[in-house]
Amino acid sequence: AAGVIQSPRHLIKEKRETATLKCYPIPRHDTVYWYQQGPGQDPQFLISFYEKMQSDKGSIPDRFSAQQFSDYHSELNMSSLELGDSALYFCASSPGTSGLPFSYNEQFFGPGTRLTVL
Amino acid sequence: AQSVTQLDSHVSVSEGTPVLLRCNYSSSYSPSLFWYVQHPNKGLQLLLKYTSAATLVKGINGFEAEFKKSETSFHLTKPSAHMSDAAEYFCVVSDRFSGTASKLTFGTGTRLQVTL
Repeated sequence: AAGVIQSPRHLIKEKRETATLKCYPIPRHDTVYWYQQGPGQDPQFLISFYEKMQSDKGSIPDRFSAQQFSDYHSELNMSSLELGDSALYFCASSPGTSGLPFSYNEQFFGPGTRLTVL
Repeated sequence: AQSVTQLDSHVSVSEGTPVLLRCNYSSSYSPSLFWYVQHPNKGLQLLLKYTSAATLVKGINGFEAEFKKSETSFHLTKPSAHMSDAAEYFCVVSDRFSGTASKLTFGTGTRLQVTL
């Protein structure tokens, strides 16, 4: 079965550079979530999109922005990178329009993008 | 506000013995609760979920969890541990009435070690 695809899987950047992470949800999933997992930490919610509109926002820095495109893939743009941005970034998708309450829907996670800022 | 507390940061069991990973939740409304597993350098995989149906939920790989509202708990159990169960386990809550695209709130994780 198709899973959530994230690219790149690994990314190394210098401080103050920019990075773009991409997420391709499972086909027919219209809801995308982004999470950040620092070393030894639990995943923290950043932002979510439903039907190409921002749905919820968590602890996402102002230096970060994201969007969901017409094909439902999403991109997380990170500027002025800092050492503390080094983390594993997960994207998850769910079928937001399954008819069930959104919170019932399992979020399917991608393998993550490991960002290292030097 | 919703949160989960995983009572043990590290649990060690012998292969073939029972596993108990403890989780307590706090939620303004009736929550949806999940257990996710993360193997080293891997993504997050759903073990099981509770969404107001049966309070005893069975998941993959022989895991199950029981939702106890009176105790605000959702402990994860398995009758017999296998070496392949060694991983990080996250208890997760989603506020059922928070609107669209409900975010997940993760606990701090429990690292399960399985010894011979």
